[in-house]
Amino acid sequence: EAEVAQSPRYKITEKSQAVAFWCDPISGHATLYWYRQILGQGPELLVQFQDESVVDDSQLPKDRFSAERLKGVDSTLKIQPAEQGDSAVYVCASRPTRGGNQETQYFGPGTRLLVL
Amino acid sequence: GQQLNQSPQSMFIQEGEDVSMNCTSSSIFNTWLWYKQDPGEGPVLLIALYKAGELTSNGRLTAQFGITRKDSFLNISASIPSDVGIYFCAGPSFFGNEKLTFGTGTRLTIIP
Repeated sequence: EAEVAQSPRYKITEKSQAVAFWCDPISGHATLYWYRQILGQGPELLVQFQDESVVDDSQLPKDRFSAERLKGVDSTLKIQPAEQGDSAVYVCASRPTRGGNQETQYFGPGTRLLVL
Repeated sequence: GQQLNQSPQSMFIQEGEDVSMNCTSSSIFNTWLWYKQDPGEGPVLLIALYKAGELTSNGRLTAQFGITRKDSFLNISASIPSDVGIYFCAGPSFFGNEKLTFGTGTRLTIIP
């Protein structure tokens, strides 16, 4: 069964360093999401792509976070410089098409980030 | 913005017991989704509800879409060890931009 792949699964870094997370959505899925999940809370959307275009990045802290999906397939989320408050799980999700039902979002396992 | 509050925050039950949890919103939702998240994994969809008053089952799980459209309930019957995890409710943004809002989660622990 096709899955959303993410790497690395775990990342420990020191504050002020740069970190990058990678997501490979299910093949053919045009919509890709990056969520941040703080311990004890539900995921919160950071950025949404439709193919290679950003659809919603209103919750992305743009002073330090950036996301790209250059070829409309896999995506990278970067934090530079990382702060201790960025410690969380970063979860990627994908969906086949624009519109349709929300339940067709498939979530990856997440990258657990710890900033020391 | 929209907020989804879940209760209880955590539950400790014995295997075989039934479980009930709920999700309330400050605003109306037209779709309610229930997810389960295992440790180290992403959320997995359990049940989707589309209509006020709708009652939907998936095996031992039953969920209801509240008539007011501001709440939803999830019940698990005869709990088993693999039911352990965090249960989230979620709904699409009222503004229709395909953004999901997730609840605060209910952590279920089964006592041996």
